[in-house]
Amino acid sequence: DVKVTQSSRYLVKRTGEKVFLECVQDMDHENMFWYRQDPGLGLRLIYFSYDVKMKEKGDIPEGYSVSREKKERFSLILESASTNQTSMYLCASSFIGTSGVSYEQYFGPGTRLTVT
Amino acid sequence: GQNIDQPTEMTATEGAIVQINCTYQTSGFNGLFWYQQHAGEAPTFLSYNVLDGLEEKGRFSSFLSRSKGYSYLLLKELQMKDSASYLCAVMDSNYQLIWGAGTKLIIKP
Repeated sequence: DVKVTQSSRYLVKRTGEKVFLECVQDMDHENMFWYRQDPGLGLRLIYFSYDVKMKEKGDIPEGYSVSREKKERFSLILESASTNQTSMYLCASSFIGTSGVSYEQYFGPGTRLTVT
Repeated sequence: GQNIDQPTEMTATEGAIVQINCTYQTSGFNGLFWYQQHAGEAPTFLSYNVLDGLEEKGRFSSFLSRSKGYSYLLLKELQMKDSASYLCAVMDSNYQLIWGAGTKLIIKP
């Protein structure tokens, strides 16, 4: 079974703090993704990575950065947390097929971040 | 722009059948996914359609019409554990997933 783990289920941080969210997958997937999920909105892509040290901006990258030093690990960094970054953060990974098509994404359990 | 529409909430009775619709307008199409998400948990993959027609998988079936930009998820013999949100997502021409806001399904005894 594919397993995607995230470092924390719940996190409370203060405005202005630097926040690190870690994600690890054990299936040797090339693609990794960071989303945030807010009530009434679909999943919104923050950043994704298709290879080690590669990163691409998603739809809402402002206020976030990422790091992928190893294939299995993808970190999301909030440089200076703000209250509007209070949200559920979901990490996902997927395999790239031989035709270059991404298959279904496997999600971690999520981190509910509250910024006060 | 890109858009995925699905109803916000639906209610159904245990043992019955329910159909959750999804319409989409995206730049290109490389398949449509359905995910299930229980409250407080991660989404889990249910189905993938890239060709027109019906895909059946146990109590769940998914239908796609590319010409109409339309899909539905059909759940039969509803059980209480089917109470969850159901997310529709389309893979666009850049192989990125565009997500709908999800349909919250409430099952009543």
